Amino acid sequence: NAGVTQTPKFRVLKTGQSMTLLCAQDMNHEYMYWYRQDPGMGLRLIHYSVGEGTTAKGEVPDGYNVSRLKKQNFLLGLESAAPSQTSVYFCASSYMGEAFFGQGTRLTVV
Amino acid sequence: GQSLEQPSEVTAVEGAIVQINCTYQTSGFYGLSWYQQHDGGAPTFLSYNALDGLEETGRFSSFLSRSDSYGYLLLQELQMKDSASYFCAVRGGGATNKLIFGTGTLLAVQP
Repeated sequence: NAGVTQTPKFRVLKTGQSMTLLCAQDMNHEYMYWYRQDPGMGLRLIHYSVGEGTTAKGEVPDGYNVSRLKKQNFLLGLESAAPSQTSVYFCASSYMGEAFFGQGTRLTVV
Repeated sequence: GQSLEQPSEVTAVEGAIVQINCTYQTSGFYGLSWYQQHDGGAPTFLSYNALDGLEETGRFSSFLSRSDSYGYLLLQELQMKDSASYFCAVRGGGATNKLIFGTGTLLAVQP
């Protein structure tokens, strides 16, 4: 019973490089979310999805894109990484009021 | 839009009771939930209130007043392991079902 799995767990990128973060859940949840967490800033919603094939912008979507081609997977892309995108990224899936989080991806952009 | 306010830090002693408040503003409301996050870890779910009143889960209880746009998390019989950040989160935004988090309350439990 894996729950929510994020890959990779750590990554260092150079400015301008691109990458994709993968989130996979095995709970058949409709709702999935991507957050970033910076010191003292809590969790800020980047993008989210209410079902397969749908995505929507959250609070801080600029510089990120997402796709949800399959219900169990939610991908977060950075097309041209910037130092301001250095953060810890969390994926979550939810049913009703309970959200389940992955273990996070620590991304550093140099 | 949606916004939540909670105290940034709270300190309490082992065995005591502590209450962490959360006020929110949202267009459309489905419920208020609470999460715990230890340093370096992922948030974990504690409690959810969709209706007014008190929900109790072991040492933790959560309260919601929709008319006041207010809720709180009550932690009883505090233990050292309860030292962590606590986040309230509101599910709202009309049909969009956004899940928006507050900035968190850092709880320090002292011996």
